Amino acid sequence: NAGVTQTPKFRVLKTGQSMTLLCAQDMNHEYMYWYRQDPGMGLRLIHYSVGEGTTAKGEVPDGYNVSRLKKQNFLLGLESAAPSQTSVYFCASSSASGGSYEQYFGPGTRLTVT
Amino acid sequence: KQEVTQIPAALSVPEGENLVLNCSFTDSAIYNLQWFRQDPGKGLTSLLLIQSSQREQTSGRLNASLDKSSGRSTLYIAASQPGDSATYLCAVNSSYKLIFGSGTRLLVRP
Repeated sequence: NAGVTQTPKFRVLKTGQSMTLLCAQDMNHEYMYWYRQDPGMGLRLIHYSVGEGTTAKGEVPDGYNVSRLKKQNFLLGLESAAPSQTSVYFCASSSASGGSYEQYFGPGTRLTVT
Repeated sequence: KQEVTQIPAALSVPEGENLVLNCSFTDSAIYNLQWFRQDPGKGLTSLLLIQSSQREQTSGRLNASLDKSSGRSTLYIAASQPGDSATYLCAVNSSYKLIFGSGTRLLVRP
């Protein structure tokens, strides 16, 4: 039982390049989330999904796209990276089972855009 | 719009002290509140989750309380140790989405 995993752990991009971050969870959770964390700040929600095939915008969605083709995977895409997207990205998942909605987090992906 | 504030932003205490970290939120309509620990350059470790119907949760030397009506939660750490040094994040679950505070950076001096 690996919980929530993220790929890759580190990445450096040049401005204008594209990339996809992969999040996978093995807990059969319905909900999945992508957050970003900037220095000295808490986490901010980028996009989330309440189930396979669904996605919704969070607090800071601009410049990002997401897809949830399989229940266990949630992909975050950057089509044209900008220096402002330099950040640490965290994926999380949760379940409505028992009304808890407790979120479980992955280890993070550190992205630098030069 | 839900807003979460954590005070203080940073705290330095000598080993052995009992301490309190504060979290306040603006909208009392929440599912639950989670406290996390984050070590430098690392991910988030969930410490305690308090459901909206609960008043407090305890785990070892940690005790978290929740007062929904006043929009406040506190994390109490007893007999602090240098290994407790980390950033502590409070997050409120509204509509199954977490809204985070900016965190309290704790340093426990030997």
